[in-house]
Amino acid sequence: SQKIEQNSEALNIQEGKTATLTCNYTNYSPAYLQWYRQDPGRGPVFLLLIRENEKEKRKERLKVTFDTTLKQSLFHITASQPADSATYLCALLLGQNFVFGPGTRLSVLP
Amino acid sequence: DGGITQSPKYLFRKEGQNVTLSCEQNLNHDAMYWYRQDPGQGLRLIYYSQIVNDFQKGDIAEGYSVSREKKESFPLTVTSAQKNPTAFYLCASSIKATGNTIYFGEGSWLTVV
Repeated sequence: SQKIEQNSEALNIQEGKTATLTCNYTNYSPAYLQWYRQDPGRGPVFLLLIRENEKEKRKERLKVTFDTTLKQSLFHITASQPADSATYLCALLLGQNFVFGPGTRLSVLP
Repeated sequence: DGGITQSPKYLFRKEGQNVTLSCEQNLNHDAMYWYRQDPGQGLRLIYYSQIVNDFQKGDIAEGYSVSREKKESFPLTVTSAQKNPTAFYLCASSIKATGNTIYFGEGSWLTVV
């Protein structure tokens, strides 16, 4: 069966460190993958998209990698800040629609 | 401002009642979606619509119904047939239904009392 996993339900890191979140999938061959940020009680907000022929994508302090051999995407936040605390969702394009992972709740501690 | 507006933000339903969640977008997007989010689970697709007067079932359509009479509007009805309706419901839209970036509304909380 098809499955998307995100490394852990919750991740705590110290302010200033790099946060690394993982998205693993099985039995998919997605054309591309997206990462979203979701704050409590609010809708997800799009952050980054990476295509299957791209290895890495950057946007300010954010970096995403996509390894189609390992079936894995890594999402990095460098120089993390307490304001980065949120749940981060990965989403894979499957056919015409996106399938979302369960999310990782990141807490950046001051 | 352009965006997606969901209403109401909080809704309580008695067992056996149908309720309708409103979703309006002024982004001129062709595609619209309804997702359900439960704690510890990813977003699950209920229904989606690629064009006016057309819609398709998603992964968990049972107990739900939708309509798409106008491009801007995609209301979701949670019927009494939905046995576990308490959840956070998210409406979304994209330019086309071919994997474009999805933009979400602020969500609606539905609780069965």
